[in-house]
Amino acid sequence: DVKVTQSSRYLVKRTGEKVFLECVQDMDHENMFWYRQDPGLGLRLIYFSYDVKMKEKGDIPEGYSVSREKKERFSLILESASTNQTSMYLCASSLFLGANTEAFFGQGTRLTVV
Amino acid sequence: QKEVEQNSGPLSVPEGAIASLNCTYSDRGSQSFFWYRQYSGKSPELIMSIYSNGDKEDGRFTAQLNKASQYVSLLIRDSQPSDSATYLCAVKADSGYALNFGKGTSLLVTP
Repeated sequence: DVKVTQSSRYLVKRTGEKVFLECVQDMDHENMFWYRQDPGLGLRLIYFSYDVKMKEKGDIPEGYSVSREKKERFSLILESASTNQTSMYLCASSLFLGANTEAFFGQGTRLTVV
Repeated sequence: QKEVEQNSGPLSVPEGAIASLNCTYSDRGSQSFFWYRQYSGKSPELIMSIYSNGDKEDGRFTAQLNKASQYVSLLIRDSQPSDSATYLCAVKADSGYALNFGKGTSLLVTP
């Protein structure tokens, strides 16, 4: 079974803090993704990575950065947390570029910024 | 902007009935189509994938794809209360890395 593990299930952080969300996958997948999910807005792509040290902006990258130093690990960084970044954050991974590659999700991190 | 549209619902069906969930997409270059189920407070779980026009069946689930009409659907036969969840349609182009998601349809199966 594909396993995508996010480091925290729930997080509460203060405005202005630097926040790290960690994600690890154990299936040797090339691609990894960070989405956020908000009521009425669905899943929106923040950043993705298709290889170690490679990253691409998604639809809503502002206020976020990412790091991928190892193939199995993809980190999302909130440089200076703000209340509008309160959300459910979902990490996903998929095998490689190509048509028939579904994405598998971690359990999600519910982040609250106060 | 590549759009994936779903009726938000809620779609309410009685136990044992067929639930029909629909999705349309705007990018004609889309080649891969997925249905995810998401229970409240949980992460999305893949239930079906379809890549060719026509029907694909897996147990009580049938996915239907019509690329000419840019339409994909999910049928759930013999619906159970445990099927009550939000169903997300996701679409990917051959040239793309990431899935583009619809906002989901909420399904309620009543006993």
